[in-house]
Amino acid sequence: EDQVTQSPEALRLQEGESSSLNCSYTVSGLRGLFWYRQDPGKGPEFLFTLYSAGEEKEKERLKATLTKKESFLHITAPKPEDSATYLCAVQVSGNTPLVFGKGTRLSVIA
Amino acid sequence: DAGVIQSPRHEVTEMGQEVTLRCKPISGHNSLFWYRQTMMRGLELLIYFNNNVPIDDSGMPEDRFSAKMPNASFSTLKIQPSEPRDSAVYFCASSLLGFEQYFGPGTRLTVT
Repeated sequence: EDQVTQSPEALRLQEGESSSLNCSYTVSGLRGLFWYRQDPGKGPEFLFTLYSAGEEKEKERLKATLTKKESFLHITAPKPEDSATYLCAVQVSGNTPLVFGKGTRLSVIA
Repeated sequence: DAGVIQSPRHEVTEMGQEVTLRCKPISGHNSLFWYRQTMMRGLELLIYFNNNVPIDDSGMPEDRFSAKMPNASFSTLKIQPSEPRDSAVYFCASSLLGFEQYFGPGTRLTVT
């Protein structure tokens, strides 16, 4: 069974304090790994797709990396507006559903 | 583009009543997914469609749940009869050719 585990469940950072979120996965075959951001009361918002080990993608203060067993979402010098739940998901083949982890709830304190 | 549109945004109903949730995917997208989100279980797939055809409904909890996609621009998820354990946020998402999925704002369902 395809599984995605995210850690930590919750993370509290001071503004400017860099850190990383982890997403480990066990799948029969990986087509893509996705990162989403979810704000309270809203739907998940797409951030990145990673397709192969060694791939990296960046957007503002966020950088996502991928290995054969896990992905990291690095947050550099976070700001309070980065506070959200970050969800990781895997896709085994095209046009198929995503399997989501339970997310990491990030709080950035000014 | 307006993004994925869902209605209603909030629904409060009594146990035993029928509930219908609606979704309009992004124009041109050919896959549509219904997910349910709870604190305990996170995001779980209920059913998905490719080119308006249901592909996998193994996530639908039981026969009380049904979904349709009569055309490329509209889908419904129906619960009849509803039960308190159905209370959750229901999301619709769409994608093009199997790439990233875009989510709607969700419908928060409360069954009393």
